[in-house]
Amino acid sequence: GDSVTQMEGPVTLSEEAFLTINCTYTATGYPSLFWYVQYPGEGLQLLLKATKADDKGSNKGFEATYRKETTSFHLEKGSVQVSDSAVYFCALSTTDSWGKLQFGAGTQVVVTP
Amino acid sequence: SQTIHQWPATLVQPVGSPLSLECTVEGTSNPNLYWYRQAAGRGLQLLFYSVGIGQISSEVPQNLSASRPQDRQFILSSKKLLLSDSGFYLCAWLRQGITGELFFGEGSRLTVL
Repeated sequence: GDSVTQMEGPVTLSEEAFLTINCTYTATGYPSLFWYVQYPGEGLQLLLKATKADDKGSNKGFEATYRKETTSFHLEKGSVQVSDSAVYFCALSTTDSWGKLQFGAGTQVVVTP
Repeated sequence: SQTIHQWPATLVQPVGSPLSLECTVEGTSNPNLYWYRQAAGRGLQLLFYSVGIGQISSEVPQNLSASRPQDRQFILSSKKLLLSDSGFYLCAWLRQGITGELFFGEGSRLTVL
């Protein structure tokens, strides 16, 4: 079945450091890929998305490129801020399972001043 | 614009008591609706989804049930709570289209003692 694997946390960084969170997937179809962010005590917010190979999603300084050859969708940000401290989830959905997102386990990111 | 609301935000219940969590969507009609659970330190698990009034699909066998009495209302229930039912419950609706992205409510934190 479809699955998402992302790097375990917590990831602790200093402010202005470079952030990478690895995400790989397995899927039988042609999935759409998503990154969601969850701030403490809140629900999930869509951060960015990509719907086909080589698409790059971007938002709030975060980027991720849909790499079909490596089945990856790594999240990157060049200079993190304390406000980026959150849990980040990689997820996928396929054309025959709209809405039934398959999530990774989540990666907690802690940014220190 | 579309909004989604869940309540209560926080709930502490004794083992064996009943449960009712409510989710309401505004600004859209006939949405697909979903209940996810996030256990402490773990990823998200899809519990139920609904494509219309009275239509419920269960993803995992459990102590919970769901109902959709109105187009934009989705309810998660239990007759007798277990300790293992503790967690953060998230309702979501599906944004139709090629991307199939979900939009989440604020979440309901349930602690069963």
